[in-house]
Amino acid sequence: DQQVKQNSPSLSVQEGRISILNCDYTNSMFDYFLWYKKYPAEGPTFLISISSIKDKNEDGRFTVFLNKSAKHLSLHIVPSQPGDSAVYFCAAMKGSQGNLIFGKGTKLSVKP
Amino acid sequence: DAGVIQSPRHEVTEMGQEVTLRCKPISGHDYLFWYRQTMMRGLELLIYFNNNVPIDDSGMPEDRFSAKMPNASFSTLKIQPSEPRDSAVYFCASSSRGREYFGPGTRLTVT
Repeated sequence: DQQVKQNSPSLSVQEGRISILNCDYTNSMFDYFLWYKKYPAEGPTFLISISSIKDKNEDGRFTVFLNKSAKHLSLHIVPSQPGDSAVYFCAAMKGSQGNLIFGKGTKLSVKP
Repeated sequence: DAGVIQSPRHEVTEMGQEVTLRCKPISGHDYLFWYRQTMMRGLELLIYFNNNVPIDDSGMPEDRFSAKMPNASFSTLKIQPSEPRDSAVYFCASSSRGREYFGPGTRLTVT
């Protein structure tokens, strides 16, 4: 039973345009959400996070939106750059737990 | 800090052999996680430790898999005997709760 779902295995975007990566979750107890980025042959690296008390968090070109009622979050990358091409993992946790629950990832390709 | 260190980076072994993967977490982190990444299943949590104590090993696929954390700076994941379906990238991660920091991974190939 997948508690964190990334329904799009891949996404292709033109350089300079917006990339929107989506993530849905089923557990209403989750209170902290993260996005990780993974290049080939490397471990995932933290990108941005959001607490459930917020609905938006921005860091440069990256913005994460959280819709608690819909149990949905999204990562926006504006403008997209070829170096953003990677696999993006959505993750969630609840305060009482020590581990993150990851989605299966979305492979983003940004074409020049 | 050097980050999470994993060894070896690549391992090729024959079916039936014992495989040991090693991890050194970031100093001061009290959580350590072992993940396996495959195309089909994405990032699967195998087991995690808190203060060297295994907390949840429900992700360990079979008795052939075992993990230990004898002290705060070292952990091993052992597969005995190994099978071709164990071929994957194995990641170790550590945290002090919340954000997890991943190592570079060990790519295991079992022939």
